[in-house]
Amino acid sequence: GNSVTQMEGPVTLSEEAFLTINCTYTATGYPSLFWYVQYPGEGLQLLLKATKADDKGSNKGFEATYRKETTSFHLEKGSVQVSDSAVYFCALSSGYALNFGKGTSLLVTP
Amino acid sequence: NAGVMQNPRHLVRRRGQEARLRCSPMKGHSHVYWYRQLPEEGLKFMVYLQKENIIDESGMPKERFSAEFPKEGPSILRIQQVVRGDSAAYFCASSPPSAGVRETQYFGPGTRLLVL
Repeated sequence: GNSVTQMEGPVTLSEEAFLTINCTYTATGYPSLFWYVQYPGEGLQLLLKATKADDKGSNKGFEATYRKETTSFHLEKGSVQVSDSAVYFCALSSGYALNFGKGTSLLVTP
Repeated sequence: NAGVMQNPRHLVRRRGQEARLRCSPMKGHSHVYWYRQLPEEGLKFMVYLQKENIIDESGMPKERFSAEFPKEGPSILRIQQVVRGDSAAYFCASSPPSAGVRETQYFGPGTRLLVL
């Protein structure tokens, strides 16, 4: 079945550091891929998405490229801020549902 | 345009009681999805509904759980005779009528259920 595996956290970075959160997937067909972010005590917000191979999703300085050959959708940001501290979820569309990874907690310190 | 609304935000129940969770989708959205997030876990799909129809309930436990999305009013996720293992955050998401498998789902703030 379809599934997502993302790197385990927590990830702790200093402000302005480079961020990579790895995400790989297993899927039949051609799913869409998503990154969602969850701030403490809140629901999930869509961060970015890509609907086909080689698409790059980007938002608020975050980027991820849909790589079919490596079945990956790694999240990157060149310079993180304290306000980026949150839990990040990689997900793929699977029928009507979204299949989520377990989430990666990011803490950015001043 | 108001987002997805869920209430209550926090719900405390004793074992054996019933829990009712409500979700109002975004304006113009007619597709509703329910997910459950256990501690330290990602979200797990439970059920997908359109107005007055359950489309996919493959993620719903076979017993004690039910969901509806009536013609009028919010979607309801109902858990009967709750047990401690039902303690989790329950998230609702919605998408527009044209939704296909690639459509973005918009999430509500969640209801955090605690069973004592």
